[in-house]
Amino acid sequence: NAGVTQTPKFQVLKTGQSMTLQCAQDMNHEYMSWYRQDPGMGLRLIHYSVGAGITDQGEVPNGYNVSRSTTEDFPLRLLSAAPSQTSVYFCASSRGLRTTYNEQFFGPGTRLTVL
Amino acid sequence: GENVEQHPSTLSVQEGDSAVIKCTYSDSASNYFPWYKQELGKRPQLIIDIRSNVGEKKDQRIAVTLNKTAKHFSLHITETQPEDSAVYFCAASVGGFKTIFGAGTRLFVKA
Repeated sequence: NAGVTQTPKFQVLKTGQSMTLQCAQDMNHEYMSWYRQDPGMGLRLIHYSVGAGITDQGEVPNGYNVSRSTTEDFPLRLLSAAPSQTSVYFCASSRGLRTTYNEQFFGPGTRLTVL
Repeated sequence: GENVEQHPSTLSVQEGDSAVIKCTYSDSASNYFPWYKQELGKRPQLIIDIRSNVGEKKDQRIAVTLNKTAKHFSLHITETQPEDSAVYFCAASVGGFKTIFGAGTRLFVKA
């Protein structure tokens, strides 16, 4: 199993550009989440999904969109990039409600810089 | 909304000493409390977790305690080693999803 994969690893955008960060998992996990990590602020939840077709907002959703059309994929879209979105983005997945084993597995991260 | 506070932000100990990191949470419905370790440039990885029906859990040199009444939980690392140096995050969630993380503690273990 590849686990949780993210692409790209690095990205530089200009203010106002849009892009999609890709996330995929091959563990048949129900739950998937997107976090951003800024120095001194830990991991902040952007959006999460409890299954295909179901998404919800986290702590810092503004400026980001998500969709979950399949169990495996959970892309994060930046609609109009701003310098405040410069961060490291992590995708994570976990099994789901029907299990008590709720460990989140993280992808390797995408380092995004917005100029 | 939900909030998780973590202290201290930085902790420096001598090799062999113990380290304690404390967290408080605001959502009384939270029932799952994981701890993650993140080494420089790497992804966070789970080191131990505890559920709300348990007061304490131990795994070798690592232990976690939970006080539901006070809504706080702590990580204890005994006999610290240089390889324990990393950033540690506590987190709280309801049912394992919508996980909210603390701001992290940077632990330095001096040889």
